[in-house]
Amino acid sequence: EVQVVQSGAEVKNPGESLKISCQSFGYSFTNYWIGWVRQMPGKGLEWMGLFYPGNSDTRYSPSFQGQVTISADKSISTAYLQWSSLKASDTAMYYCATTRDGNTRWDYWGQGTLVTVSS
Amino acid sequence: QSALTQPASVSGSPGQSITISCTGTSSDVGGYNYVSWYQQHPDKAPKVIIYDVNNRPSGVSNRFSGSKSGNTASLTISGLQAEDEADYYCNSFTGHIYVFGTGTKVTVV
Repeated sequence: EVQVVQSGAEVKNPGESLKISCQSFGYSFTNYWIGWVRQMPGKGLEWMGLFYPGNSDTRYSPSFQGQVTISADKSISTAYLQWSSLKASDTAMYYCATTRDGNTRWDYWGQGTLVTVSS
Repeated sequence: QSALTQPASVSGSPGQSITISCTGTSSDVGGYNYVSWYQQHPDKAPKVIIYDVNNRPSGVSNRFSGSKSGNTASLTISGLQAEDEADYYCNSFTGHIYVFGTGTKVTVV
């Protein structure tokens, strides 16, 4: 059974760094794309970027280029989304999702990680 | 990369059919047959209900159907049920990454 499990909720101060995770179970991690999606409070879904563990191909949406870093550790089937300096406007729910390479159907979603940035 | 345009809200009575539009450009919706639709209930993760314009994943009701004409894709929900009340988002490949629609709140009145 495929499962995607995200790390727990975080409360941070502005300017702090943060790395949240997305661990996959039940499929070949290197054959699936990982995507990160932001949903600000009461707002819609936004693609932040994609990562393909098979060859480390990384793609960012223009709005998020330079603002976050996406990476992965293949040895533990885990993808990461990282900020070096959080802002209050980063407060949001963050989802990871996966799709098999060659597919465009994002089948499996994590439960979401709520990030709150407040002083 | 601008979000695809959807109506903010659509409503219907139980048993009726409703259609949600999703308008993009020739660089996204019009350029690829890779439009998908996601249903999101409050405080839940999105769930794919249509992919590659008009395909339904296993287990998704056949009351959901998709289509595309030019730069506009559409999701039709027939035989509307109370459980269909949710937010719906279209999604298109752009050649490099993906872009979501602005989202549509479906209300069953």
